[in-house]
Amino acid sequence: SSELTQDPAVSVALGQTVRITCQGDSLRNYYASWYQQKPGQAPVVFIYGKNSRPSGIPDRFSGSSSGDTASLTITGAQAEDEADYYCNSRDSSGNRVLFGGGTKLTVL
Amino acid sequence: EVQLVESGGGLVLPGDSLRLSCAASGFNLSTYSMSWVRQAPGKGLEWVANIKINGHEKYYADSVKGRFTISRDTTKSSLYLQMSSLTVEDTAIYYCARDVGAALLRLYYFDSWGQGILVTVSA
Repeated sequence: SSELTQDPAVSVALGQTVRITCQGDSLRNYYASWYQQKPGQAPVVFIYGKNSRPSGIPDRFSGSSSGDTASLTITGAQAEDEADYYCNSRDSSGNRVLFGGGTKLTVL
Repeated sequence: EVQLVESGGGLVLPGDSLRLSCAASGFNLSTYSMSWVRQAPGKGLEWVANIKINGHEKYYADSVKGRFTISRDTTKSSLYLQMSSLTVEDTAIYYCARDVGAALLRLYYFDSWGQGILVTVSA
């Protein structure tokens, strides 16, 4: 399959935990990476691999995977986490790039 | 510090051609795969094309195959996207991104992005 599916919108109360999911057959072969994008800005990678965070990314962000579903969890969501989140992986050949449709996170 | 700076965008007519450039600094372009990713107004991210480390392997999204060509000039540390037969559906911000990872690790991701350049196709 060449698709990654995300919920279009998710909301979370300030300080609570939220999980954003990404589903697709390709996730059985490749780890998902997760990007945060705020309005007018380029995407920034937040999680890659099994559960790795680039330097500077808060540890309240974590990643996990099971079967064909990858998840991004924010433990103790902050107001500044309100953004669009995209998952990303590869097709079965490893050559073509897949993006999920994005999830708009609202922090209430 | 890794920097990617896109240029060459603008307003063009349907059917026109345009070449985008991405100036890379802070790393050796010949040792990384690179991609172009675009984002239509109010829409999500869409991968467009990538070029592998060897500079020969190139892959394209179905939506641009046969119309767009990705290339690089390592002597100028620059990545390019030649776009032809443009349609209004190609209107988007175009980002270049550095592609890292390996199949053996089951891991690929974009660790650096440019700020993006707007391409508008309109009559």
